[in-house]
Parts: sequence; structure tokens; C-alpha cells
Amino acid sequence: QSVLTQPPSVSGAPGQRVTISCAGSSSNIGAGYDVLWYQQLPGTAPTLLIYGNNNRPSGVPDRFSGSKSGTSASLAISGLQAEDEAEYYCQSHDSSLSGSHVVFGGGTKLTVL
Amino acid sequence: QVQLQESGPGLVKPSETLSLSCTVSGGSMSSYYWTWVRQPPGKGLEWIGYIYYDRSTKYNPSLKSRVAISIDTSKNQFSLKVNSVTASDTAVYYCAREIGYDILTGSNYGMDVWGQGTTVTVPS
Repeated sequence: QSVLTQPPSVSGAPGQRVTISCAGSSSNIGAGYDVLWYQQLPGTAPTLLIYGNNNRPSGVPDRFSGSKSGTSASLAISGLQAEDEAEYYCQSHDSSLSGSHVVFGGGTKLTVL
Repeated sequence: QVQLQESGPGLVKPSETLSLSCTVSGGSMSSYYWTWVRQPPGKGLEWIGYIYYDRSTKYNPSLKSRVAISIDTSKNQFSLKVNSVTASDTAVYYCAREIGYDILTGSNYGMDVWGQGTTVTVPS
């Protein structure tokens, strides 16, 4: 059971806009920790898609955007393309008695119809 | 640009110690968090822990008792050891470079460089 909760799957047709949610709690996203997003294409390593809640590394198309509010975050993908079909993971930090540590969401499989 | 490459045995016997190394090429190890992440077959990502270039470490609380990460900056390498392995430790193991929070901007710049991953199997 992941600390951050994502829907197992989402889908959309080419050209459409989809959103992927990432629900946390007061010990992680709600505590003010940044949310990051990673894209994992089939059979490959994850790559950084969004950092600092809503910033794109160079080379990431502006079709990808991130947002954060309260204890949750979202990744939006507009103008859906076939090559966007992948697994998407949110990441943040969670506070515990031993300090903070990295946590990932369970991942969301995006299918382009 | 910076590249990471994992290496180590692909098969580890139950109860033994899993040992992997990650070689960093094309850049310095200074001022970064060097991280291990694993992914069991068909499942999501699990953060294992990191070592900072000053050798300080932090581990996933659920794995802390069995994990150790070390660094050798003279060889541009960092390593992972997981002891007393079981079949549940079967996974693709990734090494990654984490920038972390920037003091000036306050933003977390995340894990920006990843290795290709190496599969480790622990038979049941």
C-alpha cells in the first residue's frame, strides 16, 4: 500500500486532455513537501517529468503540467499523443519519527486509445 | 552528460547478501544524493535510500535494518548491500542521482539521472 495514492489506470484519445491524481496526507504533500512526477515508458527506466510541483525539466513538452493543492497533486497531459502511453509516478517526501524520506505513488498506467 | 551504470550479480540465493554497484561517468559526485530505487516485477517504484557525497545516509524505514549504501568518490562509484534476502527482494534495481531541494529556490529538483536498471532475482 503506497503512502501516495494514484488511480491504477487512465485513458484518453489522441488530442484529448487527461489528468492523473496523487492523493497524500498531512505528513507528506500536506506538510509542504514538493511533488514530482516521473514517466516510465515500457521496459525503460523512469525519467523526470515534473519537479518542484509544476516545473518541467528542459526537453519536456509544455503539454505536461503539474499542480498541487492541499494534500494532493495532479499531472495534466494535454494534446495526448501515442508516445505518451506509459506508467506515471508521483513522488514526494513523508515525515516520520526518524525524519523525512522519499515516497512514491503506486503508479498510473496511461493508455492512449 | 552524466551517466549511471548498475552492475552486480543477477541471481542471489535466499538469506545471502545482494551487492550492487553504480558507476558514475561524465560528472562529479559532489553535492548530490546518490539513490537506489527498486521495482518488483509488475509493480511500482520503491525508494531504498540514498547516500550524500559527504557519506551521510538515509534509508526507507521498511528496509533500514537490512540495507547499507556506501560511496567511493575516488572510483566514482556508490554501492548497495541488502542482507538476508528473500524472494520479495526480486526486482529491477535502479541507481539515480537526486539533486534534492535547492536552498535558493526552495524547489525539489528530484532524481534527474537514472541508470538503465539491473534485474536481481532471488529464487523462492
